[in-house]
Amino acid sequence: AQTVTQSQPEMSVQEAETVTLSCTYDTSESDYYLFWYKQPPSRQMILVIRQEAYKQQNATENRFSVNFQKAAKSFSLKISDSQLGDAAMYFCAYRSAMEYGNKLVFGAGTILRVKS
Amino acid sequence: NAGVTQTPKFQVLKTGQSMTLQCAQDMNHEYMSWYRQDPGMGLRLIHYSVGAGITDQGEVPNGYNVSRSTTEDFPLRLLSAAPSQTSVYFCASSYSGGTLEAFFGQGTRLTVV
Repeated sequence: AQTVTQSQPEMSVQEAETVTLSCTYDTSESDYYLFWYKQPPSRQMILVIRQEAYKQQNATENRFSVNFQKAAKSFSLKISDSQLGDAAMYFCAYRSAMEYGNKLVFGAGTILRVKS
Repeated sequence: NAGVTQTPKFQVLKTGQSMTLQCAQDMNHEYMSWYRQDPGMGLRLIHYSVGAGITDQGEVPNGYNVSRSTTEDFPLRLLSAAPSQTSVYFCASSYSGGTLEAFFGQGTRLTVV
């Protein structure tokens, strides 16, 4: 079974600075998808960024980018120019490309606090 | 454009009571799933469905039943609530192809006393 580990329960960043959230995963599969989801206090789950394992290029969405290291099974999220609205719980998630169904495996989450 | 709608948003149950958490999506997604979120454990898959009439168990299925009679609806039933089922429950849906992005409902906070 696949597992996802987020080793940082909490992180803090100063507004306008950069922060990196860590995620490692364990799988024997070669084809899969990785996601970062944001959960603000409203509880809504919001997709931040997605990475296909077969793509070597790291995904980027505006201020959000990932460092995907397939051999090391690492998938970190970098947030540049942090804003107060980035404060939330962030979840790393894995999804097999070999199975049917919406079957995400989540990490425990990292709480990100943004200081003004 | 409702997306994924969950009801109720909050619920308090007594031990032993039964209830159904409702989930409906209007995006014609084939895949639907139920997750529970507990502190320090992230979200864990309870049950999932790949289409009308087809369901299967996830990581933590005990104490829960599901059915999927239509593409739109995927209710989650608690047969006899226990305090260990106190949690936040999320329903999610996605297409079977394309970007595989999962769309989530706003969650149901359930407390069993």
